[in-house]
Amino acid sequence: ETGVTQTPRHLVMGMTNKKSLKCEQHLGHNAMYWYKQSAKKPLELMFVYNFKEQTENNSVPSRFSPECPNSSHLFLHLHTLQPEDSALYLCASSQDRGQSSPLHFGNGTRLTVT
Amino acid sequence: GQQVMQIPQYQHVQEGEDFTTYCNSSTTLSNIQWYKQRPGGHPVFLIQLVKSGEVKKQKRLTFQFGEAKKNSSLHITATQTTDVGTYFCAGRSTGNQFYFGTGTSLTVIP
Repeated sequence: ETGVTQTPRHLVMGMTNKKSLKCEQHLGHNAMYWYKQSAKKPLELMFVYNFKEQTENNSVPSRFSPECPNSSHLFLHLHTLQPEDSALYLCASSQDRGQSSPLHFGNGTRLTVT
Repeated sequence: GQQVMQIPQYQHVQEGEDFTTYCNSSTTLSNIQWYKQRPGGHPVFLIQLVKSGEVKKQKRLTFQFGEAKKNSSLHITATQTTDVGTYFCAGRSTGNQFYFGTGTSLTVIP
């Protein structure tokens, strides 16, 4: 069982909706990540938080808004999304942002934008 | 920019045959990690390679890091149906940027 829990597992939303994805890690890690996984594309890093501070934002559109209230929780707030935003959104954590820290992924949220 | 390419994109093998996926980076890597994602699942960390020319084994899986630290391979001996999934390499640049490869999807035919 994964030490990183994501909810919901599936989400269908219209382009005018506002929703949030939640991620919680029980591993005592200090770094948390949001990745987007689309068909036939490599995993795309969206945001990185290290000790609750955002350290990376990989040119993600402003309709995606992350929030990290503490080292164990990470949210991704969604609003006015586009159909091309439909994908699997994976949360991950690692001990830190150091070079030898493997990523532990959650089960993901399968998002469909209609 | 930095790219990590994997080949092949898809591979179908008969159960018992061997399988290899190759990972190539456009720049030198400080380390490389391998992950496996089962159908409908999430990526799971398998191993990390750090040293030039390093070879590590996990049962039927053999991982290799190239001498120039720009490529890596994963070889599975005598595949089983439990090996089905997508295998990703992930390279960390010397600037601590982390790049996932495009993945190789393995199908094992019983």
